[in-house]
Amino acid sequence: DSGVTQTPKHLITATGQRVTLRCSPRSGDLSVYWYQQSLDQGLQFLIQYYNGEERAKGNILERFSAQQFPDLHSELNLSSLELGDSALYFCARTVGHKGNTGELFFGEGSRLTVL
Amino acid sequence: KNQVEQSPQSLIILEGKNCTLQCNYTVSPFSNLRWYKQDTGRGPVSLTIMTFSENTKSNGRYTATLDADTKQSSLHITASQLSDSASYICVVSAVGSQGNLIFGKGTKLSVKP
Repeated sequence: DSGVTQTPKHLITATGQRVTLRCSPRSGDLSVYWYQQSLDQGLQFLIQYYNGEERAKGNILERFSAQQFPDLHSELNLSSLELGDSALYFCARTVGHKGNTGELFFGEGSRLTVL
Repeated sequence: KNQVEQSPQSLIILEGKNCTLQCNYTVSPFSNLRWYKQDTGRGPVSLTIMTFSENTKSNGRYTATLDADTKQSSLHITASQLSDSASYICVVSAVGSQGNLIFGKGTKLSVKP
């Protein structure tokens, strides 16, 4: 058990639509990370939140946004979806000090298919 | 440019055999190197984390080595089992790179009976 719950597990939508992916880390975990994994590609870091604030930003498109709520769950919003956005989206938590990247524990991912 | 390259891209071995996966990186300044196992369609699971001063680290039948001088790492799997079939991902962290780990594309290992 990674201590990270992601919903939905699978999502199929059409181009131009908007979706929201949800991540719930273990109670008390302050950091969440979002990653994208396209078919046969390595994981790409999107964004990190720590205690409600954006901590680090990676290769996140302007069409994508994220936030972390007071209860520490996080949502990744993907808008104006394109075929190329089809991917596995992972959320991860860390046990590192003050949200620094210690060992990462990944959720099971949300598989997004854009048709 | 910070990069992590893994080889081979894919590998097929027979159950019970050993294998070694390679990882070369150009990430600087180096903080730590991790190996993850990712079953198909699942989230990656950490196998080992090594810092600059560590040359070898084991986790059961998995042994990772690190040569910080040549910027190379290897993951050796001993007495492979069918359940070892997965992608193995090398990940490198640079000092001060909060959240931004550099991921390799992984080696896809298939263990056949």
